[in-house]
Amino acid sequence: AQKITQTQPGMFVQEKEAVTLDCTYDTSDQSYGLFWYKQPSSGEMIFLIYQGSYDEQNATEGRYSLNFQKARKSANLVISASQLGDSAMYFCAMGANNAGNMLTFGGGTRLMVKP
Amino acid sequence: DTAVSQTPKYLVTQMGNDKSIKCEQNLGHDTMYWYKQDSKKFLKIMFSYNNKELIINETVPNRFSPKSPDKAHLNLHINSLELGDSAVYFCASTLRQGPNSPLHFGNGTRLTVT
Repeated sequence: AQKITQTQPGMFVQEKEAVTLDCTYDTSDQSYGLFWYKQPSSGEMIFLIYQGSYDEQNATEGRYSLNFQKARKSANLVISASQLGDSAMYFCAMGANNAGNMLTFGGGTRLMVKP
Repeated sequence: DTAVSQTPKYLVTQMGNDKSIKCEQNLGHDTMYWYKQDSKKFLKIMFSYNNKELIINETVPNRFSPKSPDKAHLNLHINSLELGDSAVYFCASTLRQGPNSPLHFGNGTRLTVT
C-alpha cells in the first residue's frame, strides 16, 4: 500500500518570501509519479507540478519547484516569491503502478500568505 | 472550453433520497475518476473507469454506482442518501492510466444531506 504524509496542517509565509511545503511518501513500487495540487478557497483543484520517480532533475514550473529526494522519499514543494493569491490548500499526491494507477493524496497543508 | 465539467455545483437533499451527479470531459481522455473530499479536506478515490472497465474501491458503499454511457461521461448515482454522504465530490480525468498522468479535476459538487 502507498501512503502520502503532509506533516504541516497550516503554515504562514510573508509575501515575497519563499516557502517549502513538506511531503513524504511510502511505496514499494519502483515506478511512480508525484504531484502537487492547489485548492483555493473557491474549491477547484489546480494541478501545479509533476515529478517522475526516474527523473534525475527536480521539476520546475514557474515559481513552483519540487525538491525531490528519492532516498529520503520526500517531494517537497517550494514556492518562490509568495503572492497573496498563493493562499490555499496544497495537496501532495502519488500515483504508482501497484496502486491501480489511482492517485493517493496527502492530508493537505493550508498556506496563508501575509501581506 | 471547460475541460472537465460537473453538474450540479451544489446539491441539497434529504436523507433517503436518490440523486445523480453528472460529469463530462472534452479532453479526449481515456480514464475518469470520482473522488470524495470530506469535511477535513481529505481526498479519497471512489472509482476509476478506463475504457469501459470499472475499478471499484472496496470501501465505497454499494449505494454509490458510477455509470459511463461513453468515454467522455462518468456519472455518479447515489441511492438512499445518508448524512455521512455530505461532502464535495470531484470528477477527474487523465489521458491514460499510469503513474505519470496528472488528474484534471472538475470544479466539484458540494452535496449536503439534511
